[in-house]
Amino acid sequence: KAGVTQTPRYLIKTRGQQVTLSCSPISGHRSVSWYQQTPGQGLQFLFEYFSETQRNKGNFPGRFSGRQFSNSRSEMNVSTLELGDSALYLCASSLGGTWMNTEAFFGQGTRLTVV
Amino acid sequence: EDQVTQSPEALRLQEGESSSLNCSYTVSGLRGLFWYRQDPGKGPEFLFTLYSAGEEKEKERLKATLTKKESFLHITAPKPEDSATYLCAVQWEDGGYQKVTFGTGTKLQVIP
Repeated sequence: KAGVTQTPRYLIKTRGQQVTLSCSPISGHRSVSWYQQTPGQGLQFLFEYFSETQRNKGNFPGRFSGRQFSNSRSEMNVSTLELGDSALYLCASSLGGTWMNTEAFFGQGTRLTVV
Repeated sequence: EDQVTQSPEALRLQEGESSSLNCSYTVSGLRGLFWYRQDPGKGPEFLFTLYSAGEEKEKERLKATLTKKESFLHITAPKPEDSATYLCAVQWEDGGYQKVTFGTGTKLQVIP
């Protein structure tokens, strides 16, 4: 079966711009979560969506937002980009239920570079 | 502050040389501890979920165990293809919300 698909794979943006990343979960999966991975901070949880509702949220500023559509596809938006937002952004999908208590499958990520 | 610490940061083993990776945590209200494997340029791959102290899970050459404050990932007779970064993550409840914190990982290199 098809895995988690993230688009685009690579992105270069200028400081101050905004960006939207997309994540298509595995068919039948209703939970989508987003993470930021950097060499200094490691993997950090951004937020989790289930049935179009943000169910859980990490400790990131309001510039980071997301949404989930009725087909479970999810988008993440970062406004007013800063140099420190350069990172690998990963999404993961799972069947749902209690988030993270079911096996989560990660996509390959979107590499965002802010210049 | 809630913390998840993995040790060692890097580990180099000869093929067949067994060892253990450690993940210690200080969060309260643990809901689950997860182990992932991540290869360069790829997203993490799920390995195990552990829920309570004393629980153990095995998969091929890997065995994960959990105590009240730490988890171990034992690698028995590793092969070069086991080379990867191993991440642990802890999920806990805070103010009605589920939170997750990842460790910074152990980079394992298995030499033929």
